[in-house]
Amino acid sequence: QVQLVQSGTEVKKPGASVKVSCKASGYTFTSYYIHWVRQAPGQGLEWMGIINPSGGSTTYAQKFQGRVTMTRDTSTSTVYMELSSLRSEDTAVFYCARAVEMAAAHDFWGQGTLVTVSS
Amino acid sequence: QSVLTQPPSASGTPGQRVTISCSGSSSNIGSNYVHWYQQLPGTAPKLLISRNNRRPSGVPDRFSGSKSGTSASLAISGLRSEDEADYYCATWDDSLSGWVFGGGTKLTVL
Repeated sequence: QVQLVQSGTEVKKPGASVKVSCKASGYTFTSYYIHWVRQAPGQGLEWMGIINPSGGSTTYAQKFQGRVTMTRDTSTSTVYMELSSLRSEDTAVFYCARAVEMAAAHDFWGQGTLVTVSS
Repeated sequence: QSVLTQPPSASGTPGQRVTISCSGSSSNIGSNYVHWYQQLPGTAPKLLISRNNRRPSGVPDRFSGSKSGTSASLAISGLRSEDEADYYCATWDDSLSGWVFGGGTKLTVL
């Protein structure tokens, strides 16, 4: 069965970076894009960007340009999202989700990773 | 301020029919498919409706979607207590070259 398993809770200080992983299984890793979506406490969903695991190409939301980096490791079927220069407003749950095309629906989601930014 | 506009809340009694609207523009809803997600408390979002009106396997036919112009709607008939959740619309935006989500609608079953 399809699974996206994310890394665990992180606590970071302002100015630091965080790297969240998303390990895929149960399907052909390179056949589906992986999106990253953020949800601040009590808030809605916010799209951060997308990576094509096949070639590694990425598209980032303008809001996160320069601060986010998405990479993948095809040998372990894992996608990574690194967010730098963290501030308190970045405290959120980060989700990975797969889609067959860039504009296609996200049909499976990871369980989410809570990142808390606090001094 | 979300690019797609949803009412912040909706409610209904068991058995009723409820609709949730999602309003956008020509660069997003007007030219792309709309998808709907259900987020139960404390859990990850789940795909509910894809491509305006398609139900993934396992989604009850009580849930239906529609789209007209730059607006879309999610309808839930035969409301049940387990439908109490947050609902989000989403689509690709050609102008932004990225995905946009609605602000979410919290559905309460009275």
